[in-house]
Amino acid sequence: GAGVSQSPSNKVTEKGKDVELRCDPISGHTALYWYRQSLGQGLEFLIYFQGNSAPDKSGLPSDRFSAERTGGSVSTLTIQRTQQEDSAVYLCASSLEPGGPYEQYFGPGTRLTVT
Amino acid sequence: GQNIDQPTEMTATEGAIVQINCTYQTSGFNGLFWYQQHAGEAPTFLSYNVLDGLEEKGRFSSFLSRSKGYSYLLLKELQMKDSASYLCAVLDSNYQLIWGAGTKLIIKP
Repeated sequence: GAGVSQSPSNKVTEKGKDVELRCDPISGHTALYWYRQSLGQGLEFLIYFQGNSAPDKSGLPSDRFSAERTGGSVSTLTIQRTQQEDSAVYLCASSLEPGGPYEQYFGPGTRLTVT
Repeated sequence: GQNIDQPTEMTATEGAIVQINCTYQTSGFNGLFWYQQHAGEAPTFLSYNVLDGLEEKGRFSSFLSRSKGYSYLLLKELQMKDSASYLCAVLDSNYQLIWGAGTKLIIKP
């Protein structure tokens, strides 16, 4: 079946604008994760969803970041009033259930550039 | 705090064997994952260990010692396509995946 998809693949925005990133997980996967990866760096956990609820929002860098998931499927990550330090690749992953031994399947990512 | 340590970069020769180490200190332990990430691509799953010992999967093997907070990924018969970053990640007591910064592996002919 289809893997995890993300859109857009690339987004260039001006500082101060809002952006919305979309993730379509693998069908039937209850857990969905958002990560951020800066160039040459490791993965920074942002938030995860179990169904439509987010038990752990501790990774969101500031209140400019928010995320939602509807219908236990599609998720959107919204960044308000973008700053240059928000520039990174935003990766979405899904797994059958949260935790082990369920591997996370990653989407191709959205490269965000804030000018 | 929670911490995962991996070497930043390693170099090896095509056809040889390389071992990538990972040490961790986390709030609880519910398993350890290894992922491979080629430049500009998303990570892909390699292995999962939750019990002590060695798990072998083709040219790749992963080892875990829970008492030592230590794991390694062993890659045999290296090929040029193995050039990538290798990410170690630990599932903590809250079932949150804590990621290491990754080890960039460079394969030379």
